[in-house]
Amino acid sequence: EIVLTQSPGTLSLSPGERATLSCRASQSVSSSYLAWYQQKPGQAPRLLIYGASTRATGIPDRFSGSGSGTDFTLTISRLEPEDFAVYYCQHYGSSPNTFGQGTKLEIK
Amino acid sequence: QVQLQESGPGLVKPSETLSLTCAVSGYSISSGYHWGWIRQPPGKGLEWIGSIYHSGVTYYNPSLKSRVTISVDTSKNHFSLKLSSVTAADTAVYYCARAGETFYVSGTYTNWFDPWGQGTLVTVSS
Repeated sequence: EIVLTQSPGTLSLSPGERATLSCRASQSVSSSYLAWYQQKPGQAPRLLIYGASTRATGIPDRFSGSGSGTDFTLTISRLEPEDFAVYYCQHYGSSPNTFGQGTKLEIK
Repeated sequence: QVQLQESGPGLVKPSETLSLTCAVSGYSISSGYHWGWIRQPPGKGLEWIGSIYHSGVTYYNPSLKSRVTISVDTSKNHFSLKLSSVTAADTAVYYCARAGETFYVSGTYTNWFDPWGQGTLVTVSS
């Protein structure tokens, strides 16, 4: 089973700043089968990125994903107030698919 | 626009079976896609439980496989989860979701999920 480790655990930034979230896999993720989700309190996760870098339908272009192998990054270019939430990565390159423990993005 | 809604008891006794249903609207399960269950213990991360195709093909997380059964009823356009012999560790918000894409990898399937239902909290307690 692939273990995903997200860092940092908490990221404190201000609106307008750039956010960089990391997801590291314990083994190489085949074919960049890596997704990112956003979860706000009391809500279900929302898909942001799949295939490591493809934005899901309706996701603003300030969200971008990159990486391959064992190291993946979610970047939010200019933080909007609604972007403060918890972010999870998920690999689906092998079974079982697993999720990272999450990065909380909070307002500084 | 596809929507998913979980339903079932919010309280289950230890050693009993947890049963949930996910009603799908805006899309016919028979038309395709895989469908899955994911859970999230309070204040913790996400865990994939298992998934199903409309034909009835199922695949489960090995950590839960011995206790999980997922089934589909295309006539009612819903799919269901049963988790047996529950303990307090099974207390979680349970989500159903549609698999956006599914890949055949090493003899089984894997997928990412979009959209998700709103989730339902199931507490295991006597």
